[in-house]
Formats: sequence, structure tokens, C-alpha cells
Amino acid sequence: QSVLTQPPSASGTPGQRVTISCSGSSSNIGSNTVNWYQQLPGTAPKLLIYSNNQRPSGVPDRFSGSKSGTSASLAISALQSEDEGDYYCAAWDDSLNGRVFGGGTKLTVL
Amino acid sequence: QLHLQESGPGLVKPSETLSLTCTVFGGSITSSSYYWGWIRQPPGKGLEWIGSIYYSGSTYYNPSLKSRVTISVDTSKNQFSLKLSSVTAADTSVYYCASRIAATPFDYWGQGTLVTVSS
Repeated sequence: QSVLTQPPSASGTPGQRVTISCSGSSSNIGSNTVNWYQQLPGTAPKLLIYSNNQRPSGVPDRFSGSKSGTSASLAISALQSEDEGDYYCAAWDDSLNGRVFGGGTKLTVL
Repeated sequence: QLHLQESGPGLVKPSETLSLTCTVFGGSITSSSYYWGWIRQPPGKGLEWIGSIYYSGSTYYNPSLKSRVTISVDTSKNQFSLKLSSVTAADTSVYYCASRIAATPFDYWGQGTLVTVSS
């Protein structure tokens, strides 16, 4: 079991808005920032969101992140077929003194 | 923009030590504020953080792997390495090297290398 909890799957049709949740605890999300990663099939993960809600240069503004308490969310609006892949949240955990990842959410564009 | 490249054996025998190296291109491994780390992904499964070494030399390891893991830096070669001892089939994974500066967009990953543990 992963320290951060994500739904195993999510889906939507092109143009729709999808949200992916990430639930943690006071020692990780509750006290540290959250990153989100996108992993397209056969590729390495790519940073999508850092510091809860910041987008690196080149990431479309269709992707947005938020955090409240011990949970975080990734929202993808105007869903496109190329968004299909796996999405992971990550944070530092003060109790484990290490980095923790969510179990990943497989996004399917129907 | 950093570029990271993993290298090492693709096949390791059970009970032996897995050794991988990550070569850093486009920047210095002594750059301040960088974490240099390893993450693995078993086939068809999620990401697992193995550990990191801070530019200052401090190391941080996944508690579940700590007794078997060593991460070190070779500044002369601009490389950092992973050693995982006493491997079993459960250690079969794609291993990624990565670097980041916390709370910034500076976050880079290698392409990953599949290591299979089998006799």
C-alpha cells in the first residue's frame, strides 16, 4: 500500500474535466508541498505540477493543482486523447524522512 | 536543462548486489540545492522512491530498503550511483535516476533501465 492514496482509475470523454485526488496525512501533504507527475505509456514520469499548484514552463494551463489540509487534487480540463496515461502525486514525509508517491491513477480518455 | 542517463547490468542474480550509475549531462553534480535520487517501478506497478543524496552529502533512504541501499556521488565523473544488496525477484523493476530542487520546476528524470533479478 502506498502512503498517499489515489483512485486506481479515472476516465472522461474528450473536452470533459476530470479530477484526480490524492489523500495523505499530517506528516506528508499536511506539512509539505505536493508534486504531480504524468507518465505516458513507455516513458519516464514528467513533472506536471509542483508546489501544489504551480505549472512548469510548457505544461498547458488545462492542468491545475490544489491542496487542502491533508489532500490534494489534480484537475485536467478540456480532456484530450493524448492525456491518457498514469498520474502520480508525491510529497515529502516528515515521519519517514523520505519521499512518498501515490499508487497512481490510470486515466482513460473514452 | 539537465540530462540524466542510467547505466548498469540488466540482469542480476538473486542474493547479489544491484549496481547502477547515473551520469549527469548539462550541469554539475555539485550544484547547490539539488537532490540526486533513485526511483523504481516494478513492471505494471507504481513508483517507489528508493532514496536520495543531497548536494551537501546527506543521504535519505526509503525505510523499507534502508538496510540494503547505498547512494553515493562521484564528483570526478559527474555521476551518482545506487547499490542494492541481497536482491530478490521482488527487486525486478525499471530503475530511474532523477534530480530535483525542492519546490521548483527543476525536476529531471532519466529514461529508466530495466533490471531483472533472475538466476
